[in-house]
Amino acid sequence: KQEVTQIPAALSVPEGENLVLNCSFTDSAIYNLQWFRQDPGKGLTSLLLIQSSQREQTSGRLNASLDKSSGRSTLYIAASQPGDSATYLCAVRLRKYGGATNKLIFGTGTLLAVQP
Amino acid sequence: SQTIHQWPATLVQPVGSPLSLECTVEGTSNPNLYWYRQAAGRGLQLLFYSVGIGQISSEVPQNLSASRPQDRQFILSSKKLLLSDSGFYLCAWSVLRLGNNEQFFGPGTRLTVL
Repeated sequence: KQEVTQIPAALSVPEGENLVLNCSFTDSAIYNLQWFRQDPGKGLTSLLLIQSSQREQTSGRLNASLDKSSGRSTLYIAASQPGDSATYLCAVRLRKYGGATNKLIFGTGTLLAVQP
Repeated sequence: SQTIHQWPATLVQPVGSPLSLECTVEGTSNPNLYWYRQAAGRGLQLLFYSVGIGQISSEVPQNLSASRPQDRQFILSSKKLLLSDSGFYLCAWSVLRLGNNEQFFGPGTRLTVL
């Protein structure tokens, strides 16, 4: 059974710091991995999606890496800003019958607070 | 561009009352549609997904049901709510494009059952 874990559960950093959020998964047979941002009481915003054949994806100050063999992904945020404060969720899409399933398995998230 | 709507945004219902939450998607056709629940202190759990009109797959046994009466409409229902049905309900859509199937989420409905 696929389990997705995110460490730390909460993180507080001063503005301007670079930071790394971690995501680990138990079954390496994934199709892709997606990072989301969730503001309090809001829906999820997709940040980055990494296919299982890729090692990393970048969007602006965000860089996500994937090491499928070790079951790990990281989300790197450069030069953090107070507006980055939110809960960050990672989710894996399982591989099944040679293709992708419709199911995302979510981690419980990392609550990030960037202090001005 | 594609947009996804959910309503109501918040709902307070007594135990035993019925429920109907609606989700609609604009700007795409034949999407896959999903209902998730996010309970306090827990991760998102997939409840239902649909690959087409009238096609519903249930992921977990529960007190809820889903229906897809139109291509871009997904409804979550219950005949009698339980306290444990409280949570944040999120609808999502995806289209298999370039082998991606990236999911995009709606704004959510906060349900409190008293």
